[in-house]
Amino acid sequence: DAKTTQPPSMDCAEGRAANLPCNHSTISGNEYVYWYRQIHSQGPQYIIHGLKNNETNEMASLIITEDRKSSTLILPHATLRDTAVYYCIVFNNAGNMLTFGGGTRLMVKP
Amino acid sequence: KAGVTQTPRYLIKTRGQQVTLSCSPISGHRSVSWYQQTPGQGLQFLFEYFSETQRNKGNFPGRFSGRQFSNSRSEMNVSTLELGDSALYLCASSLRPGTDGYTFGSGTRLTVV
Repeated sequence: DAKTTQPPSMDCAEGRAANLPCNHSTISGNEYVYWYRQIHSQGPQYIIHGLKNNETNEMASLIITEDRKSSTLILPHATLRDTAVYYCIVFNNAGNMLTFGGGTRLMVKP
Repeated sequence: KAGVTQTPRYLIKTRGQQVTLSCSPISGHRSVSWYQQTPGQGLQFLFEYFSETQRNKGNFPGRFSGRQFSNSRSEMNVSTLELGDSALYLCASSLRPGTDGYTFGSGTRLTVV
């Protein structure tokens, strides 16, 4: 079973920041939070991951709460091409499989 | 560098037939995982291979099998196809099991009629 809870859908205006929340209240100390997204009929695309600290890369920022029970993926300036299903995954690097939940369907609107 | 390559991209088969899907990982990646994606069940883990050995298997019937070759390329096979096997089959590769950043291919869309 997926260890994460995400809202099923969200809307965002083009050019604005998209903030996608994820709850992972049962996360263990050695488990990372990974974010992937899937654009229709393509394979999931890796976005970012983190353990405790906030992370930023060219695609997004990841904010993890101090207790690590939730996180937020931030797309700073959403574009229409960011319309996709976003998956938050808790992953133990000693393991070897990703468990996907239902994800959040983000719709970026003009 | 080239990404994860899956062939064929689309496939139509008849119930009862068998099918073989292929996955070529990113050069240097030795771990290959397979996932099934359906509208009803979402993305589900099938199995993972590393150094030609199956390391983990998801909750799928024995009709689903796979293998990995010495060059890390992997194939999965589904025998006695059922209508419910219609799905997008995705392959992901990584350097080693459990390492960062699994990279997915574009998938093979299998339709069973």
